Amino acid sequence: NAGVTQTPKFRILKIGQSMTLQCTQDMNHNYMYWYRQDPGMGLKLIYYSVGAGITDKGEVPNGYNVSRSTTEDFPLRLELAAPSQTSVYFCASSEGTSIFPSPLHFGNGTRLTVT
Amino acid sequence: AQSVTQLDSQVPVFEEAPVELRCNYSSSVSVYLFWYVQYPNQGLQLLLKYLSGSTLVKGINGFEAEFNKSQTSFHLRKPSVHISDTAEYFCAVSVGLGGTSYGKLTFGQGTILTVHP
Repeated sequence: NAGVTQTPKFRILKIGQSMTLQCTQDMNHNYMYWYRQDPGMGLKLIYYSVGAGITDKGEVPNGYNVSRSTTEDFPLRLELAAPSQTSVYFCASSEGTSIFPSPLHFGNGTRLTVT
Repeated sequence: AQSVTQLDSQVPVFEEAPVELRCNYSSSVSVYLFWYVQYPNQGLQLLLKYLSGSTLVKGINGFEAEFNKSQTSFHLRKPSVHISDTAEYFCAVSVGLGGTSYGKLTFGQGTILTVHP
């Protein structure tokens, strides 16, 4: 069972370029999330989705876009890369229940550098 | 809005010594609390969680944590650490009524635990 798979593992972008970070999960989870991790700052939620066709902003959505056309995939798009977007990006998924929040399952991350 | 504070950014300890990683949260509503561990170049893995019931929760690898509502704390403890416990540890909180939080977590800043031989 692969769990949550992120590609690429590393990427260097020039300012103004665009790219898509890929995320796919094989656990049939309804909920998916994108977080960014910066040293000493913990993880900040960028966007999340509660099912195919439904997405919503998290704490730090500016400069990013997402889509959720299938249950499995939740790509994150950077349109005009800026140095402030240099970070490690984590995709996560969870079952989603109506009673308690389910634990998150994380991918291994994408390390992005914008120069 | 909720917030999470991990009081120590780095905790060095010797092997077989006890350790406590401190976490405080602020929220005016019911909370669900989690500890995650991140090994180098990997994603986060769930160590343990508090959802309801007993305030002392046990997790993997011999870790445990105690939910203290009056002190709004959820400190992580292990009586005897190993070299392999060297990692970064994150405390996280989810608030809301039932599933309406959609599992969105607010994370603390992280504590780097370094176990020395």
